[in-house]
Amino acid sequence: GQNIDQPTEMTATEGAIVQINCTYQTSGFNGLFWYQQHAGEAPTFLSYNVLDGLEEKGRFSSFLSRSKGYSYLLLKELQMKDSASYLCAVSLRPFGGYQKVTFGIGTKLQVIP
Amino acid sequence: DTEVTQTPKHLVMGMTNKKSLKCEQHMGHRAMYWYKQKAKKPPELMFVYSYEKLSINESVPSRFSPECPNSSLLNLHLHALQPEDSALYLCASSQGVKRVLNEQYFGPGTRLTVT
Repeated sequence: GQNIDQPTEMTATEGAIVQINCTYQTSGFNGLFWYQQHAGEAPTFLSYNVLDGLEEKGRFSSFLSRSKGYSYLLLKELQMKDSASYLCAVSLRPFGGYQKVTFGIGTKLQVIP
Repeated sequence: DTEVTQTPKHLVMGMTNKKSLKCEQHMGHRAMYWYKQKAKKPPELMFVYSYEKLSINESVPSRFSPECPNSSLLNLHLHALQPEDSALYLCASSQGVKRVLNEQYFGPGTRLTVT
């Protein structure tokens, strides 16, 4: 089976930096995604990590440690529009070109003025 | 164009009705997915199609029947649903190539209510 853990809720201040952690236990790990989901909307892709280390994309960065089963998403210069749920998702080894992705419960981030 | 479209946006159906959800993408993706998402829960995988063939069925009840008429279209046929099947149904697609990781692009979803 697979187990993905992330905090259910976080609050941060506009302009600040916030780190959302995700730990996972799975077999056949291929990589890890981060998705953003605003209430009532579909998830949108933010980043992925395959190898250990930090991937930076503008205000968003994601880190992975495969040996520790640990990832985090770092959001800098927080804006009010960043209030959303952030889903950590684990991808299992690909079979024939598709992937089986399992989502964590999501971290609901509230950005306050 | 990274758009996945879904119709209808909202659907209310009785337990004896038959309806279909539709999904379309024109990104040349060869893997397509159906997910079910209940309120305050993460998306749960239902089906995966790869190169128009059903590759994964996550033990979904037979009252849900997927269909992939061609590489751009994915349908989900619904029959004799239960009220607990009310949820947001999300379609997604990804490149169907044997790359290390393929990110999935989601459609806006169909919010289904079963009465």
